[in-house]
Amino acid sequence: GDSVTQMEGPVTLSEEAFLTINCTYTATGYPSLFWYVQYPGEGLQLLLKATKADDKGSNKGFEATYRKETTSFHLEKGSVQVSDSAVYFCALSADNYQLIWGAGTKLIIKP
Amino acid sequence: DTAVSQTPKYLVTQMGNDKSIKCEQNLGHDTMYWYKQDSKKFLKIMFSYNNKELIINETVPNRFSPKSPDKAHLNLHINSLELGDSAVYFCASSPGGRNSPLHFGNGTRLTVT
Repeated sequence: GDSVTQMEGPVTLSEEAFLTINCTYTATGYPSLFWYVQYPGEGLQLLLKATKADDKGSNKGFEATYRKETTSFHLEKGSVQVSDSAVYFCALSADNYQLIWGAGTKLIIKP
Repeated sequence: DTAVSQTPKYLVTQMGNDKSIKCEQNLGHDTMYWYKQDSKKFLKIMFSYNNKELIINETVPNRFSPKSPDKAHLNLHINSLELGDSAVYFCASSPGGRNSPLHFGNGTRLTVT
């Protein structure tokens, strides 16, 4: 069945460092791909999405490109801030519209 | 003006009790969900309703029963609470469709003692 694999956390970086959180997927058909972010004590919120191959989603300085050839959707940011500390979830929307979630990656940014 | 609101935010109760969590959305969405998040942040879908009709019912104990009185509300009732039910429960809504994002409430932290 469809699945999403994210890199295990926690990922700890210093402020202004470059961030990559890896996400790969397996799916039949042509899924849509999402990154959600969960700040402490809050619900998840959509960070960005891409609906077809080679699409790039971007928001708040974060980017991810839908790579069909490598079945990946890695999240990147050029310069992280302490306020980016959160748990990041990669997800795909399969043909039956059900969301398949990755396990989440905790990001800790130190000043 | 909260889009998806859940009550209560915290719920502490003893084993064997029955409790309910309420959820309301003011976004006009057709689809609502209940998710369970464990202590390792792993998300598991429990139920999904579309226009008051149950469309996803994952492998969840019978003790959990969702109820959708109208399109804007989806409540979760839990009977005979067990220690393993301790988790954060999230309500979410979506307009439906594969590309539509979910809008989450801020969660209800349930602790069973």
